[in-house]
Amino acid sequence: GAVVSQHPSWVICKSGTSVKIECRSLDFQATTMFWYRQFPKQSLMLMATSNEGSKATYEQGVEKDKFLINHASLTLSTLTVTSAHPEDSSFYICSATAGLETQYFGPGTRLLVL
Amino acid sequence: QKEVEQDPGPLSVPEGAIVSLNCTYSNSAFQYFMWYRQYSRKGPELLMYTYSSGNKEDGRFTAQVDKSSKYISLFIRDSQPSDSATYLCAMSPSRGYLNRDDKIIFGKGTRLHILP
Repeated sequence: GAVVSQHPSWVICKSGTSVKIECRSLDFQATTMFWYRQFPKQSLMLMATSNEGSKATYEQGVEKDKFLINHASLTLSTLTVTSAHPEDSSFYICSATAGLETQYFGPGTRLLVL
Repeated sequence: QKEVEQDPGPLSVPEGAIVSLNCTYSNSAFQYFMWYRQYSRKGPELLMYTYSSGNKEDGRFTAQVDKSSKYISLFIRDSQPSDSATYLCAMSPSRGYLNRDDKIIFGKGTRLHILP
């Protein structure tokens, strides 16, 4: 099956700093990438949808100025959590699709903001 | 009523037993139904993908969709300790992402423990 990677797998940062998470589709070109957040024992919550070369579409309640998404190529999307605070601590998962296929998920990035 | 309801468990069964995992939903527009397996601290892995009503079998796994009852199931035969994970159901009105509203909706997941 298709492989999606994420980097880093975990990160600890101080409150107020910015953190960048990368999502790469390794063996296919992803026309669309998605960013999810998952709190413990909770469902995956879609944050935003991004298409290569265009602005991301954010879900209601997600601050686009806080969660910056860049989809620079068909194989790479980045999520930057700006001025992170403890309440941003979560498991961030990206997924990618080639258009008419189901989503393939990355392994996730665990963020802990102190 | 939430769009997708899934019992969080945990569900503990002995090795070798048949496992039944279920979800109910309220949106009759859902046409595509998926089951994902998520190990602790990992991203979800697609297990089964079905369209509309009916059954689909893949090895020890069988996915069942009953659109009239808005009820989907995943059966695991001959369960093994390696099947211990969280299983998430997911569904969408369409296969592609041509429309912004056609996003996948996930259940909360059911934690499954297979006891050796």
